[in-house]
Amino acid sequence: GAVVSQHPSWVICKSGTSVKIECRSLDFQATTMFWYRQFPKQSLMLMATSNEGSKATYEQGVEKDKFLINHASLTLSTLTVTSAHPEDSSFYICSARTGATNYGYTFGSGTRLTVV
Amino acid sequence: GNSVTQMEGPVTLSEEAFLTINCTYTATGYPSLFWYVQYPGEGLQLLLKATKADDKGSNKGFEATYRKETTSFHLEKGSVQVSDSAVYFCALRSEYSTLTFGKGTMLLVSP
Repeated sequence: GAVVSQHPSWVICKSGTSVKIECRSLDFQATTMFWYRQFPKQSLMLMATSNEGSKATYEQGVEKDKFLINHASLTLSTLTVTSAHPEDSSFYICSARTGATNYGYTFGSGTRLTVV
Repeated sequence: GNSVTQMEGPVTLSEEAFLTINCTYTATGYPSLFWYVQYPGEGLQLLLKATKADDKGSNKGFEATYRKETTSFHLEKGSVQVSDSAVYFCALRSEYSTLTFGKGTMLLVSP
């Protein structure tokens, strides 16, 4: 079946540095990818919708200059957390729509970001 | 706006016990409803879905029925196994194709 590969699985970085998270669709083309964030004991919150070849659509309250999303090809979307701070520490997960229906979402395995 | 409320965990059960994880939702229109499962160290996987009222989704022994009158989509399994230990997310999809998730419920099954 459809597989979305996300890496790194976990990363620790210093405050002020930037971190890039990659999300690849391995055996299908993903014109749309979604980026979520999950705080401890909270639900997955949609951060942005990434469309291949165009600008991402950010949800209200998400800083687009801090969370840079690039979807340059049909198989790769990246999320870059710029100038990371400890409050950015969270679990980030991507997903891609795998088919024409609205049921076919495949998720990456997630990235645990810790900013120290 | 849309929202999903599911019971807090962890839910701790012995093997072969009956499982219910409650999920209720608020949504405009007629959303589709989903249960996702996240096993330790893995990504989310679709467990089952229902797209209209009274539909029953089922997979791997798990079931959930779309109850519009009570706006619920409770997850059930008659006899859980240790391998069912995971985090379960209830979710809905609006007509605008974004998913809204509950907070997740951790299930711990002991032998």
